[in-house]
Order: sequence, then structure tokens, then C-alpha cells
Amino acid sequence: DVKVTQSSRYLVKRTGEKVFLECVQDMDHENMFWYRQDPGLGLRLIYFSYDVKMKEKGDIPEGYSVSREKKERFSLILESASTNQTSMYLCASSPPGQGGNEQFFGPGTRLTVL
Amino acid sequence: AQSVSQHNHHVILSEAASLELGCNYSYGGTVNLFWYVQYPGQHLQLLLKYFSGDPLVKGIKGFEAEFIKSKFSFNLRKPSVQWSDTAEYFCAVTTRYSSASKIIFGSGTRLSIRP
Repeated sequence: DVKVTQSSRYLVKRTGEKVFLECVQDMDHENMFWYRQDPGLGLRLIYFSYDVKMKEKGDIPEGYSVSREKKERFSLILESASTNQTSMYLCASSPPGQGGNEQFFGPGTRLTVL
Repeated sequence: AQSVSQHNHHVILSEAASLELGCNYSYGGTVNLFWYVQYPGQHLQLLLKYFSGDPLVKGIKGFEAEFIKSKFSFNLRKPSVQWSDTAEYFCAVTTRYSSASKIIFGSGTRLSIRP
């Protein structure tokens, strides 16, 4: 079974802090994703990576950056956290495939910015 | 803009009732279609998917979905729901020849089952 793990289930930070969210997958998947999930808005893609050191902006990249130094690890960075970044953050991975393959999700990190 | 619509935001049913959750999309051309489910406190997981072939797709836990190309729809169905089906359900769509990053998720439908 694919396993996608996220470093924290719950995180509380203060406005202006730098925040790191870590994601690790164990199935050698090329593609990794960061989404935020908000009630009534579904999942919105923040950033995507299709290979080590490669990244693409998603629909809402403002205020976020990412890092992929190793194939199994994809980090989301909030350079200066703000209250509107309070949300559930989901990491996912998938093998390559035309049109998108099934994505495997981690348990999520619920981030609260005070 | 390409979009996915799930018109029912919250559905409440009694056990043994039949279920149909709507999903409509606005992509043109060939699509890949997915339904994901998120049980309380659990990971989002795949319920079923359609890439090609028989438009009636069977998934896990007795769920099925029908792709109707002329209606741009991929509705999720289950003939008799159980209390354990209480969850949030997400429809997702991508065009066949786009990259994996272009999967678009609907806003989700919360399903509550009364015991």
C-alpha cells in the first residue's frame, strides 16, 4: 500500500512565523502535490512537483513556496504565515500517467495561524 | 474556465435509502473522472475512476458511477446506504492529455446518514 505521511496532524503558529510542512511518500512516485482544503471550496492546488528539484505553481501559490530535494519528500513552506492561511493542508503523490493517475493522500495537517 | 460542480453541499439520508450525488464538469474533449471519499478523521481515498470503456463504473463499498458524455456528468450512486457511508465525497476531473497537475476537484458533498 502507498503510504503518504505528513509531519504534523495539528500545528499552531503565530502571524509572521516561517512554517514548514513536510510530506514523505514511500512508493517512488514521480508526482507530488500540495493542496489546501477549505469548507465549501474543495481542494485547491498550491504547488506540484513532477521530479526532484522541479516544481510548478498551482492555482493558489501566493504566500507559499516548495522544496523537493529528494524524490520521496516534498515540503511546503509558508515564508511569513498569515491568518488567512489557516486551513487543512493535504499532500498527495501519484505515478506518472496521461491525464492524471489516482492520487494518494496523506492524513492532512490542520494549521491554525493566530 | 474549466470547472467541476457538485450541486449538493449536504445530503442527509436514512439508512437503506438510495443515494445519488451529482457531478457536472465543463471540460471539453476526453476526460478522466474520479470520485474520492473522506471518512471522518481519515485520509482522502479513491472510491472509483473512469478512464475509458464501459461508462458504468463499479467502485469500492458498493458504489458506482455513470459517465454520461452528452450531459457532462459523472454521478455517484449507491442503492442502499449505510451509517458507515457518512463522509465527504469529492468529484474530480482531468482532461486526458493534460499533466497530472490539472486535476480539478469539486467543492465536495457532505453525506450524513441517520441510523
